[in-house]
Amino acid sequence: AQRVTQPEKLLSVFKGAPVELKCNYSYSGSPELFWYVQYSRQRLQLLLRHISRESIKGFTADLNKGETSFHLKKPFAQEEDSAMYYCALSGSGGTSYGKLTFGQGTILTVHP
Amino acid sequence: DTEVTQTPKHLVMGMTNKKSLKCEQHMGHRAMYWYKQKAKKPPELMFVYSYEKLSINESVPSRFSPECPNSSLLNLHLHALQPEDSALYLCASSSQPSGANVLTFGAGSRLTVL
Repeated sequence: AQRVTQPEKLLSVFKGAPVELKCNYSYSGSPELFWYVQYSRQRLQLLLRHISRESIKGFTADLNKGETSFHLKKPFAQEEDSAMYYCALSGSGGTSYGKLTFGQGTILTVHP
Repeated sequence: DTEVTQTPKHLVMGMTNKKSLKCEQHMGHRAMYWYKQKAKKPPELMFVYSYEKLSINESVPSRFSPECPNSSLLNLHLHALQPEDSALYLCASSSQPSGANVLTFGAGSRLTVL
């Protein structure tokens, strides 16, 4: 079975402060991990994925297989970062092939 | 065209009605998905179609019946639904149904069952 845990339902920071959204996963194989974001009144969209190892909108995420984590970080939060963030895991084979499982989501609010 | 289009945007139906949700993409994607999302909850996978064949059914009740007429279209037929089936139904597609592929989501069809 594959599982994704986001321990924080809500996260509030002030503009310019660092932000970290936590994500832990459980999967017996080699997972593919993603962060999806949903801004107000917009559709769910990809923010970044671990295999790309890129920074999008100043966000980065590193896969730590030892700690089974994929935390999302940004050094200086902006008001436009306020959104719902979902960590998601896709299985790489077997019955999990093509199955994207979402965590419960974290609502990030960045105050001016 | 880089979007997934879902119709209708809103649907209200009674428990004895038969209706369908439609999803369309013209990106050449060969995997298509149905997700159900309740308020303030994450999307939950219902079905995956891979190359127009049903590859994953997450033990969804038979009152939901998916159909993939061709590589661009995905339908979800609804019959004898219950009020607890009221939710946002999201369609998504990806180039292939492999783990590393990114899903492109539609805006959703908001279903209310009376």
